[in-house]
Amino acid sequence: QVQLQESGPGLVKPSETLSLTCTVSGYSISSGYYWGWIRQPPGKGLEWIGSFYHSGSTYYNPSLKSRVTISVDTSNNQFSLKLSSVTAADTAVYYCATRGAATLDWFDPWGQGTLVTVSS
Amino acid sequence: EIVMTQSPATLSVSPGERATLSCRASQSVSSNLAWYQQKPGQAPRLLIYGASNRATGIPARFSASGSGTEFTLTISSLQSEDFAVYYCQQYNNWPPLTFGGGTKVEIK
Repeated sequence: QVQLQESGPGLVKPSETLSLTCTVSGYSISSGYYWGWIRQPPGKGLEWIGSFYHSGSTYYNPSLKSRVTISVDTSNNQFSLKLSSVTAADTAVYYCATRGAATLDWFDPWGQGTLVTVSS
Repeated sequence: EIVMTQSPATLSVSPGERATLSCRASQSVSSNLAWYQQKPGQAPRLLIYGASNRATGIPARFSASGSGTEFTLTISSLQSEDFAVYYCQQYNNWPPLTFGGGTKVEIK
């Protein structure tokens, strides 16, 4: 059973880079599946940030593409999110998730989420 | 980008009653639509994929239908644990994958 856990700083200053890590257990990232990041501003809806496949294909939301990098660390079975030049609008709960298959469609399961606040 | 619009924003329903939630896509997404349930402080949980297929462990009181641009999620007899926010998500045309704004089902 695949499980995901987000980690990283809960507070980031404006204009700096937000960095989060998703640790995967129960499955090896290098074995396949699509993996991704989704965020949710407080009291608002869900926004897909981007996803990648273990072979190297990576897809980003065009609205964030210029600021986002998703990378993978197969040795530690983790993948990461970097979002640069953050503003208060980037304050959100950030979730990592997978489809559990080699297709990019729905997400199941999700990590529990981590709140990142952008503030000086 | 495909815009997903959910209605109503809030639905007030008594326990035991039926709830009907709608999701509309700005262009056809075929049957490539998922529904999620989210409770306060929790991550979304997959309910439905392929527009009408219940995910593993989802009770039969949850059903969904639709294709193209119009979709419906029905909860046949609301239980206390069903009061939550529900989101639809299309995966027909990406990037980006897009979600609706959500429907909050609250106790009447």
